[in-house]
Amino acid sequence: GAVVSQHPSRVICKSGTSVKIECRSLDFQATTMFWYRQFPKQSLMLMATSNEGSKATYEQGVEKDKFLINHASLTLSTLTVTSAHPEDSSFYICSAHGVGVVETQYFGPGTRLLVL
Amino acid sequence: AQSVAQPEDQVNVAEGNPLTVKCTYSVSGNPYLFWYVQYPNRGLQFLLKYITGDNLVKGSYGFEAEFNKSQTSFHLKKPSALVSDSALYFCAVRDYGSGYSTLTFGKGTMLLVSP
Repeated sequence: GAVVSQHPSRVICKSGTSVKIECRSLDFQATTMFWYRQFPKQSLMLMATSNEGSKATYEQGVEKDKFLINHASLTLSTLTVTSAHPEDSSFYICSAHGVGVVETQYFGPGTRLLVL
Repeated sequence: AQSVAQPEDQVNVAEGNPLTVKCTYSVSGNPYLFWYVQYPNRGLQFLLKYITGDNLVKGSYGFEAEFNKSQTSFHLKKPSALVSDSALYFCAVRDYGSGYSTLTFGKGTMLLVSP
């Protein structure tokens, strides 16, 4: 199957700092990427849908000024958590589906964010 | 609106026995159905999908699922469980009838296979 990578795999930061998470599709071009957040022992909650070359679409209740998404190329999307606070600590997972492969989303390995 | 229900928080099965993880869905149009598996501190791995055609879908690692339109179900099955199958399993649906294109996930079912 298609491969999606995320970097970093885990990050610890101080409250008030910003953290950038990268999501890359390694062997296919991803017209659309998705960012999810997962709390312990819970399901994935969609945060936003990122389309290459256009603004991301955010789900209700997700602050777009806090969670900045950039999808500058067909293989890279970034999520920046600005002015992070302890309540932003979570597992962030990206996924993508490619050109002509719209039925199936492939997921990255996730990024564990801990804000102190 | 589309939704997915996984009625069991946890399923326990002995190694070598058959396993079933249940999933029911609700969509207004045509469902595209998926099963994903998640190991601790990892992302989701795609197992199998139903788009159209044969109701019995075979996927990775010996898993299969049967699409039942009348019961709006898509239960995940495996004839003989392995200890290494222990993980968190998510059912997901996309509704292509209404133009809604994002995945909706169930809450997940933890599968524990005992030796």
